[in-house]
Amino acid sequence: GAGVSQSPSNKVTEKGKDVELRCDPISGHTALYWYRQRLGQGLEFLIYFQGNSAPDKSGLPSDRFSAERTGESVSTLTIQRTQQEDSAVYLCASSLLSGGHADTQYFGPGTRLTVL
Amino acid sequence: AQSVTQLGSHVSVSEGALVLLRCNYSSSVPPYLFWYVQYPNQGLQLLLKYTTGATLVKGINGFEAEFKKSETSFHLTKPSAHMSDAAEYFCAVSGWGYQKVTFGTGTKLQVIP
Repeated sequence: GAGVSQSPSNKVTEKGKDVELRCDPISGHTALYWYRQRLGQGLEFLIYFQGNSAPDKSGLPSDRFSAERTGESVSTLTIQRTQQEDSAVYLCASSLLSGGHADTQYFGPGTRLTVL
Repeated sequence: AQSVTQLGSHVSVSEGALVLLRCNYSSSVPPYLFWYVQYPNQGLQLLLKYTTGATLVKGINGFEAEFKKSETSFHLTKPSAHMSDAAEYFCAVSGWGYQKVTFGTGTKLQVIP
């Protein structure tokens, strides 16, 4: 079946603009995760959804970041008034979440965001 | 709270040599432990994971890892490196009741012919 897809694959924007990143999880996956990967660094957890509920939003770096999920489907990560330090690859992953976070996460290819 | 420490951001081994990538974790609950691999220009994929039961877990491509509670470690090994193993490897931890999976900073493995 289809894997996790993300769009756009690349996004170049000017400082101060808003951007919206999209993630389509694997059908039937309850859990959806967003991560940020800056150049040369590890994965930074941003937020996770259980269904359309986000139990913990504390990973979002600032109030310029927000995320939504429609049911157990598409999720969007919105960054308002982008800054140069927001430049990174944004990764989305989904999993079944049948037993806490023990389930395998399936990652999308990522969206490379460049803020000029 | 939970955390992961991967020792060595870059590791080089000769083709055919033992691969050992180190991971130590901190968790206040029994941990779930994972190794993910990111091949060049590809997405992350699971290599192996430990949740409960046998502490030696085997993954894809000949990799294995052993959960050692007393050492809070989950090191990744492969007896003989292959050129195709060149990639970045991430250790991760979670646990029942946690609201996230915490990843380490990654180790880039270089295999020298």
